[in-house]
Amino acid sequence: LAKTTQPISMDSYEGQEVNITCSHNNIATNDYITWYQQFPSQGPRFIIQGYKTKVTNEVASLFIPADRKSSTLSLPRVSLSDTAVYYCLVGVGPLGNNRLAFGKGNQVVVIP
Amino acid sequence: GAVVSQHPSWVICKSGTSVKIECRSLDFQATTMFWYRQFPKQSLMLMATSNEGSKATYEQGVEKDKFLINHASLTLSTLTVTSAHPEDSSFYICSARGSAMRTNEKLFFGSGTQLSVL
Repeated sequence: LAKTTQPISMDSYEGQEVNITCSHNNIATNDYITWYQQFPSQGPRFIIQGYKTKVTNEVASLFIPADRKSSTLSLPRVSLSDTAVYYCLVGVGPLGNNRLAFGKGNQVVVIP
Repeated sequence: GAVVSQHPSWVICKSGTSVKIECRSLDFQATTMFWYRQFPKQSLMLMATSNEGSKATYEQGVEKDKFLINHASLTLSTLTVTSAHPEDSSFYICSARGSAMRTNEKLFFGSGTQLSVL
């Protein structure tokens, strides 16, 4: 089971770029890295997924170094609505494992 | 696509009663479903993993006789909290994963069920 470690909380001003790093030292060869966003009293929502190098979609970028032991979620120009808890999850993917446990997550608070 | 529907959204029950929570995959076949519980300001805690047609695999410390999981079809899994007590009050979330391309690449989550036991 790939354990993940993230910083607990961070504040950011509107319009700034926010970077959140997740450590996953024992990631397995078949594991993908997926980031989710969760608002209070809601289920997590998919943000982005990657296996290596860089992935970008309309809401975020994901940077994964060559050793894949960490990953960084980058949220460009955050707004107040980006205030949420962000989780990285390791193991999902076509051949990923089936014990998909979340780490503590990172509370991002966007300040006006 | 890949929508997971979870019901009810919230439920209040008396201590000692049983509560059933349903999790349905609406547009894909969910070969694997996961059940999580979450306390306020804490992360999601994996309770159990179930594969369609098989018995669920429970995480250490989760009582299988207390939290009954049924995954009898490829679109439905249920979690029954038996003889609920106030300490079972929590936010319960299901997620599903398919076997086909696109649906096997990530988890799709339900909207959660807030259980309050009086």
